[in-house]
Amino acid sequence: DQQVKQNSPSLSVQEGRISILNCDYTNSMFDYFLWYKKYPAEGPTFLISISSIKDKNEDGRFTVFLNKSAKHLSLHIVPSQPGDSAVYFCAATPYNNNDMRFGAGTRLTVKP
Amino acid sequence: NAGVTQTPKFRVLKTGQSMTLLCAQDMNHEYMYWYRQDPGMGLRLIHYSVGEGTTAKGEVPDGYNVSRLKKQNFLLGLESAAPSQTSVYFCASSWGLAGELNVLTFGAGSRLTVL
Repeated sequence: DQQVKQNSPSLSVQEGRISILNCDYTNSMFDYFLWYKKYPAEGPTFLISISSIKDKNEDGRFTVFLNKSAKHLSLHIVPSQPGDSAVYFCAATPYNNNDMRFGAGTRLTVKP
Repeated sequence: NAGVTQTPKFRVLKTGQSMTLLCAQDMNHEYMYWYRQDPGMGLRLIHYSVGEGTTAKGEVPDGYNVSRLKKQNFLLGLESAAPSQTSVYFCASSWGLAGELNVLTFGAGSRLTVL
């Protein structure tokens, strides 16, 4: 029962262009959404998050958009850099709850 | 500042053997978690702890046991390893549950192969 889905296993973009990573969820109880980035042989690291009371959160080159009615969120990276090449995990959790669910991840490759 | 440290990083077991993965965090976090990562499945929660002396089951707890005798340590045990437990295991910790308190800090992972 995958409650968080990342339907694109991989994405390749050119350096300087926009990267858009998508995530869909099914559980309407999810209240807080996060993106983690993972390099090979390392653990995931927190990138950016958004609460369900917002529809956009921005941090430098990274912006997360939330569409609650569609149960969809996306991560935009502008401009993309080769160092952004990694696996990106979308995660979601109900309010005040341990049950954080993760998507399967999207491998982003940014070509110089 | 080490953050979350997992040992060992790699281990090969035979079916039926037992082992323990150790997780240590130096951030004074209350909450600790064990996840497993499998291809196409994302990270799935095995067990978690909300404080010293407490443990609880996550999404995929069968075949595993955990203990948290000290606040900074969280142990994951496999009593009788099975090939289905071949995976990469991640330990994580956090301050709390609400919003940004629930941001997880992960260790580097432990790759386990069961033959």
